[in-house]
Amino acid sequence: NAGVTQTPKFQVLKTGQSMTLQCAQDMNHEYMSWYRQDPGMGLRLIHYSVGAGITDQGEVPNGYNVSRSTTEDFPLRLLSAAPSQTSVYFCASSVSSYNEQFFGPGTRLTVL
Amino acid sequence: GENVEQHPSTLSVQEGDSAVIKCTYSDSASNYFPWYKQELGKRPQLIIDIRSNVGEKKDQRIAVTLNKTAKHFSLHITETQPEDSAVYFCAASPRWAGGTSYGKLTFGQGTILTVHP
Repeated sequence: NAGVTQTPKFQVLKTGQSMTLQCAQDMNHEYMSWYRQDPGMGLRLIHYSVGAGITDQGEVPNGYNVSRSTTEDFPLRLLSAAPSQTSVYFCASSVSSYNEQFFGPGTRLTVL
Repeated sequence: GENVEQHPSTLSVQEGDSAVIKCTYSDSASNYFPWYKQELGKRPQLIIDIRSNVGEKKDQRIAVTLNKTAKHFSLHITETQPEDSAVYFCAASPRWAGGTSYGKLTFGQGTILTVHP
């Protein structure tokens, strides 16, 4: 079991560029979510999904898109990167929001 | 939506002392309250959780208490050790949100715990 994997581990973008952060899990979890972590701000929910084809917004969704075509994958797309999106991004999966979340190793993103 | 407030933001204790971190939540529908520990440069990991049908849960040196009436819950670490130094996050989730919104997990802002030898 690889658990939750994320790629890339590090990324530097220029303002206005787009990119996709990849997240995959092999535990057959229905619930997947994306968080960003900034100093003093905790883990803020960007988007989440309760199963293939079903997504919903978290507390900071602006500037990000998601889709869930399979149970295993939950990519996060940055449409037009801005310096305010410089952060560490964590993907997590679990049976539900009511169960233990398993986090990926994180992606450190810098937008210049 | 749910709002989770966590205090203090930083906590410094001597090895062997106890540490207490407190969280309050706003949504009365929340009934699952986990605590995560994040060591420097690592991913968050669950250390203990509590559901609303119990008021207290203990696992060795770690305990969590829940007061649903007051909408607050706390993490207690006894006999702290230097390896307890980390960032601790509380969170809250409803089991079923109903309507068009699904249950989601909301985190507090985190507490940086430092245990001095």
